[in-house]
Amino acid sequence: SQTIHQWPATLVQPVGSPLSLECTVEGTSNPNLYWYRQAAGRGLQLLFYSVGIGQISSEVPQNLSASRPQDRQFILSSKKLLLSDSGFYLCAWSATSGSQPQHFGDGTRLSIL
Amino acid sequence: QKEVEQNSGPLSVPEGAIASLNCTYSDRGSQSFFWYRQYSGKSPELIMSIYSNGDKEDGRFTAQLNKASQYVSLLIRDSQPSDSATYLCAVQEDNMLTFGGGTRLMVKP
Repeated sequence: SQTIHQWPATLVQPVGSPLSLECTVEGTSNPNLYWYRQAAGRGLQLLFYSVGIGQISSEVPQNLSASRPQDRQFILSSKKLLLSDSGFYLCAWSATSGSQPQHFGDGTRLSIL
Repeated sequence: QKEVEQNSGPLSVPEGAIASLNCTYSDRGSQSFFWYRQYSGKSPELIMSIYSNGDKEDGRFTAQLNKASQYVSLLIRDSQPSDSATYLCAVQEDNMLTFGGGTRLMVKP
């Protein structure tokens, strides 16, 4: 069966510091991969998605970036965090064939001080 | 701009009652429809998928889809306190999901 791993679970960072969040998927090949952010009490905002290695589409222009160095690895980065980057970051995967749902990792709760 | 609308709630129902959660969407090209449950502080969990008009039942859950009215609903029978969570409606076109803001359900013992 497929599993998705995200780490770390929680992170507290000062303003202006860099960020790297990692997500890996097991048990499937060539998945679609997604990064979402959920602000407190709000809906899910799609940040990036990827249909293959090195292929990244950005939905929201901001100081975040994403990379997919391997088929089942998706990384969310920032060079300098802002206070507004606080939130719950979720990685998700879906199969590429047909109308498939997305499955989420456990998320990373990021607090910026 | 694709939109998915849900009443934010909270929807409060007594234990054992039927909870009815509703969702409308704007894009007639939408192909697939999903319901996710999200407990406080946790990630969304897929609970139902529906692809064609009509009803789909899975245990205590029934999803209903009406593409002509652009309307999706989720019924939870015999509601339990453990069903208390936020329920997210998601509408798919191609590889992309558009999520509603979620409805918070509270089931009172």
